[in-house]
Amino acid sequence: NAGVTQTPKFQVLKTGQSMTLQCAQDMNHNSMYWYRQDPGMGLRLIYYSASEGTTDKGEVPNGYNVSRLNKREFSLRLESAAPSQTSVYFCASRTDRGREKLFFGSGTQLSVL
Amino acid sequence: GQQLNQSPQSMFIQEGEDVSMNCTSSSIFNTWLWYKQEPGEGPVLLIALYKAGELTSNGRLTAQFGITRKDSFLNISASIPSDVGIYFCAGRANAGKSTFGDGTTLTVKP
Repeated sequence: NAGVTQTPKFQVLKTGQSMTLQCAQDMNHNSMYWYRQDPGMGLRLIYYSASEGTTDKGEVPNGYNVSRLNKREFSLRLESAAPSQTSVYFCASRTDRGREKLFFGSGTQLSVL
Repeated sequence: GQQLNQSPQSMFIQEGEDVSMNCTSSSIFNTWLWYKQEPGEGPVLLIALYKAGELTSNGRLTAQFGITRKDSFLNISASIPSDVGIYFCAGRANAGKSTFGDGTTLTVKP
């Protein structure tokens, strides 16, 4: 019953460094999402993938890239980290049939110094 | 993009009290969802609403899909300490992605 698994849990970067956040789901969902959460704010969509091989920009895509490696995995890459990207990042997947239900990972807390 | 106004921003209540929070939008949604987030975890779905006027319960939680389709309400009855967390509403229009409110932080004093 793993659900949505994100790694790492915590990360500290220096400005200009790059890194990839990993996400995997074992529920056979087609749709996967990356959100960021800033203090006192709701979740803002960075990128999403409706199916393997497709990705689309969300509300705040600048500074990020994504890869839908296969049906299970959806990664988020910061090519040149900036302090404004300090946030908590959540990956989610969605049920495909019927109604909308998002299942979230436990988050990655990223600090960019 | 679509905006959701969630209120109140925070609540400090005594154990046993009832809680009410709501979300309003300038746009019509076809789905309203309520999530709870505990420290260090991702949000977990509490209640999903799919039809205007729908009233749905999950234990001590009750949520309603507003008749205008532009608002939703969540009530928690007889609060307990484990109700502490951040509650998010989310709305979804046709073929759109979910838009999240900014959250209501609930603190329950024993």
